[in-house]
Amino acid sequence: KAGVTQTPRYLIKTRGQQVTLSCSPISGHRSVSWYQQTPGQGLQFLFEYFSETQRNKGNFPGRFSGRQFSNSRSEMNVSTLELGDSALYLCASSPTGTGFYEQYFGPGTRLTVT
Amino acid sequence: DQQVKQNSPSLSVQEGRISILNCDYTNSMFDYFLWYKKYPAEGPTFLISISSIKDKNEDGRFTVFLNKSAKHLSLHIVPSQPGDSAVYFCAAKNRDDKIIFGKGTRLHILP
Repeated sequence: KAGVTQTPRYLIKTRGQQVTLSCSPISGHRSVSWYQQTPGQGLQFLFEYFSETQRNKGNFPGRFSGRQFSNSRSEMNVSTLELGDSALYLCASSPTGTGFYEQYFGPGTRLTVT
Repeated sequence: DQQVKQNSPSLSVQEGRISILNCDYTNSMFDYFLWYKKYPAEGPTFLISISSIKDKNEDGRFTVFLNKSAKHLSLHIVPSQPGDSAVYFCAAKNRDDKIIFGKGTRLHILP
């Protein structure tokens, strides 16, 4: 089975711009979660989508949004980028409904805001 | 408010010895706990998990212990190998299926 894929792997944007990141989960996985990783802060939960619906949301401003498509692929969007948005954005999928909560992570998208 | 705390940013252990990584949590409603390992430039990979109804789970060289009264869990790696050098994240699931991660502990296995 192919793993979780994220595109692009690296991205450089300027303050004020917006960005869209993409995630393709493992085939058959319907839950997709997004995390932001910054040095010293660990993984901070952004949101989770299940069957095209946002099921959980972390404590991030409204500039961060996401969506999930019928094929379970997900995108997250950050508008009006700030320098502090520079981070590794990780996507994870899981086979929700099986009683197992292990998540399978992609390699991440490294976003640099200048 | 940090609900999952890994108070040791780093840990060095001699190859062949036991590595013990610790994690404390504040939310008594967490019902499932997980450990992940992360190498540079890769996403975290799942290691081992434990339900709140158990106090121990073992998988090969990895054992997770849960002490609910102390709101503490630990990951034991025995024997430690060079490939175990990585950042380890503790995570906990709440009743809404939201996963909360700690900030991680960097483990260095010394030759």
